[in-house]
Amino acid sequence: GEEVAQTPKHLVRGEGQKAKLYCAPIKGHSYVFWYQQVLKNEFKFLISFQNENVFDETGMPKERFSAKCLPNSPCSLEIQATKLEDSAVYFCASSRRVEDGYTFGSGTRLTVV
Amino acid sequence: AQSVTQLGSHVSVSEGALVLLRCNYSSSVPPYLFWYVQYPNQGLQLLLKYTSAATLVKGINGFEAEFKKSETSFHLTKPSAHMSDAAEYFCAVRRFNRDDKIIFGKGTRLHILP
Repeated sequence: GEEVAQTPKHLVRGEGQKAKLYCAPIKGHSYVFWYQQVLKNEFKFLISFQNENVFDETGMPKERFSAKCLPNSPCSLEIQATKLEDSAVYFCASSRRVEDGYTFGSGTRLTVV
Repeated sequence: AQSVTQLGSHVSVSEGALVLLRCNYSSSVPPYLFWYVQYPNQGLQLLLKYTSAATLVKGINGFEAEFKKSETSFHLTKPSAHMSDAAEYFCAVRRFNRDDKIIFGKGTRLHILP
């Protein structure tokens, strides 16, 4: 399809629980990016993929966050043992070429209580 | 490293007035530059992009931006504001010809006064 599909739209987890977010990029887009948007509206880069390969993971808190993009499956972002500060909207984006802007999904709002 | 600075976290203009949202970039190599808009509870929508072709870039919804290398600026303008333009606007930069992530500015909230 021509949109980046993110599921679920909303996710509520108790502190310490696991959260898993999904993203289906646009068909034909080989780059996938995950960003975290917190209350101040700033977009924090988490990780990027080129096809199923991690391209840049400099933004990932590695001790609790992990991500995958496997062939023929939606990409996923998993947070083990969520913390209150993980509450944010997580956006996935995809692009076909380097010079393209991203196409963003509508985000998953994670609330950790 | 690349970065963008958006001047003014909030900008208010009257309906029908000129919209000017300021963005300055820092990049050690020629950049790609983007403007995105975010409506409440939605993702980002690409307004326009500069990719080293024309320095004056026209985008959707009547917006345009001019790349000025001498001023390291990429300001967003619209001649006449509509109420529907009220949203958060993000300037963003990416290194030219690199498989880099896009770096976003902190955003400018545009308020339209009736």
